[in-house]
Amino acid sequence: DQQVKQNSPSLSVQEGRISILNCDYTNSMFDYFLWYKKYPAEGPTFLISISSIKDKNEDGRFTVFLNKSAKHLSLHIVPSQPGDSAVYFCAANRAGSYQLTFGKGTKLSVIP
Amino acid sequence: DAGVIQSPRHEVTEMGQEVTLRCKPISGHDYLFWYRQTMMRGLELLIYFNNNVPIDDSGMPEDRFSAKMPNASFSTLKIQPSEPRDSAVYFCASSPNTYEQYFGPGTRLTVT
Repeated sequence: DQQVKQNSPSLSVQEGRISILNCDYTNSMFDYFLWYKKYPAEGPTFLISISSIKDKNEDGRFTVFLNKSAKHLSLHIVPSQPGDSAVYFCAANRAGSYQLTFGKGTKLSVIP
Repeated sequence: DAGVIQSPRHEVTEMGQEVTLRCKPISGHDYLFWYRQTMMRGLELLIYFNNNVPIDDSGMPEDRFSAKMPNASFSTLKIQPSEPRDSAVYFCASSPNTYEQYFGPGTRLTVT
């Protein structure tokens, strides 16, 4: 049973345009969400997070939106750059636990 | 800070052999996590420790897998005996008592 789902295995975007990566979750106990970025042959690195008490969090070119009623979050990258090409993982956490549940990832390719 | 250190980076072994993966967490981090990444199942949590004590090992697939953390700066994940289906990338991550986890570069295990 996959509690965190990233339904798009891959996404291609032109440099300078917006990249939108989506994530859905099923467990209503999740209250903190994170996005990780992974380059080949490296471990995932933390990118941005959002608490369930917020609906938006912004950090430079990266913005995460949370829609609790729909159990959906998205990561927006504006403008997209070739160095953003990587696999992006969505992760979720339950209150009182430091255990993360990850989605399977979306491979983003930013075309120059 | 050197980040999370894992060794070896690559391991090729024959079925039936014992495999030991090693991890040095970031100094001062109270939590240590072991993950396995495969194409089919994505990134799965195997076990995690808090202050060197195993908290949840429900993700450990079988008795062939064991993990230890003898002190705050070292952990091992052992597979004995190894099988071809154990082939995967194994990640270690540590956390300073926050939701964000810091990953090592991973160990790519191939069991023939």
